[in-house]
Amino acid sequence: QKEVEQDPGPLSVPEGAIVSLNCTYSNSAFQYFMWYRQYSRKGPELLMYTYSSGNKEDGRFTAQVDKSSKYISLFIRDSQPSDSATYLCAMSAGSGGSNYKLTFGKGTLLTVNP
Amino acid sequence: DTAVSQTPKYLVTQMGNDKSIKCEQNLGHDTMYWYKQDSKKFLKIMFSYNNKELIINETVPNRFSPKSPDKAHLNLHINSLELGDSAVYFCASSRSPTRQETQYFGPGTRLLVL
Repeated sequence: QKEVEQDPGPLSVPEGAIVSLNCTYSNSAFQYFMWYRQYSRKGPELLMYTYSSGNKEDGRFTAQVDKSSKYISLFIRDSQPSDSATYLCAMSAGSGGSNYKLTFGKGTLLTVNP
Repeated sequence: DTAVSQTPKYLVTQMGNDKSIKCEQNLGHDTMYWYKQDSKKFLKIMFSYNNKELIINETVPNRFSPKSPDKAHLNLHINSLELGDSAVYFCASSRSPTRQETQYFGPGTRLLVL
């Protein structure tokens, strides 16, 4: 079983839809959870960062972490064509040495159609 | 005022050649990273340096040798290039090893080995 599983999609939605992106993980030591957005032929950029369980909201984006289920989600409300990108989840244990490293999911390709 | 820059952006070369990729960050960060992203978009860490000292060294062929002349620069030298080395290589930086949740990525270097 891979440490981080993410459905690669592709996911295609109409403009204005609510988008739900998810990752599951197996390492119970993970406590830092990130979502990165990567536009085509660009580097990943940090979108949301959450520590431990709970929700975090930033504009149209909401990140949720359920450590008991080892499941994280990113919701995008009122999706826009400019949201079309690959979304990568990432996580780390943050407990020292190489446990600080980020482990990424494979990314979900999202297309928002106008 | 680019935060993390990489050169070259594209690299096409023959099998068996030796090549280098350079990375520079002007964010004043102490920690820098090299990642490899394969054709399926899977992003995997290769190396991490903190203040010129190697702190993460994942299972990478020893044909890959990172070098950090100062904390603002991290270069990657690849000897005897193989077809499987074709990928996009990303450099990233963060304030410290304990702040890996806020990594800033460069634009990537697209390497094609023929």
